Amino acid sequence: QTVVTQEPSFSVSPGGTVTLTCGLSSGSVSTGHYPSWYQQTPGQAPRTLIYYTDTRSSGVPDRFSGSILGNKAALTITGAQADDESDYYCVLYMGSGIDWVFGGGTKLTVL
Amino acid sequence: QVQLQESGPGLVKPSQTLSLTCTVSGGSISSGTYYWSWIRRPAGKGLEWLGRVYTSGDTNYNPSLNSRVTISVDTSKNQFSLKLSSVTAADTAVYYCARGPGGWHWGQGTLVTVSS
Repeated sequence: QTVVTQEPSFSVSPGGTVTLTCGLSSGSVSTGHYPSWYQQTPGQAPRTLIYYTDTRSSGVPDRFSGSILGNKAALTITGAQADDESDYYCVLYMGSGIDWVFGGGTKLTVL
Repeated sequence: QVQLQESGPGLVKPSQTLSLTCTVSGGSISSGTYYWSWIRRPAGKGLEWLGRVYTSGDTNYNPSLNSRVTISVDTSKNQFSLKLSSVTAADTAVYYCARGPGGWHWGQGTLVTVSS
C-alpha cells in the first residue's frame, strides 16, 4: 500500500522561508496526483491553501506557493509569520479505487 | 458563498452505526459538477479521507474502512450523509464534510465519541 509521506515536524524563524514536502513511499508525485495543501490549527477546520499543485485558494496570501520539486510536491512559505504555526497536510489523488490519500501532516513551529 | 454544516449524535455506542448529515446552504447541492466528501481527524492523528458522493449518487470509498462506510445524497433536502457501521473507539474523531473538486470547501466539523 502506497503511503503519502510528510516531514513530521519543521521549524522556521519569523521572516524565514520553509519548504514542506509531500512524497510517496513508492514512486514520484506528479501533477496527475493533483496535490493539495491544507492548514489546520487546533480546534479549527482545515483551510485550503493550494490545490492542483500550485493554484492558490481564494484569500490565501501569495507567500504560500505550491510546486513539484524533484519527485515530491512542495509547499513553500516565504516570510513566515507567527500565525503560520499550524499543522500542514497534503493530499494526493491516487486513482480509482483508492482516491484521496492524506499525508501524516507536518507540525510547523515558528520560533 | 456556500456553507457546509455537519450534524448528528456526538456519542455513539461501540458496535452501533455512526450517522452524520451535512447540510449545504448558500447554493444548490445539485448545481455544478461537484462531489461531496467526508473526512475525519482522530485525536492526536492526521486527516483521513472517508469517501465521496456525486449528486448522481455515484460513490467512492476509502478501501481501508472495509465496507463499513456508506455515503448518500438527498438533493431535495440539500444534504448528504455518512453512515459508519460497527464502530469502535478507533472511530472517535472530528468528522468534516467538504465540497470538491479543486480546493476543498470544508464544514466546521463535529466531534463524535464512541463509548459505552
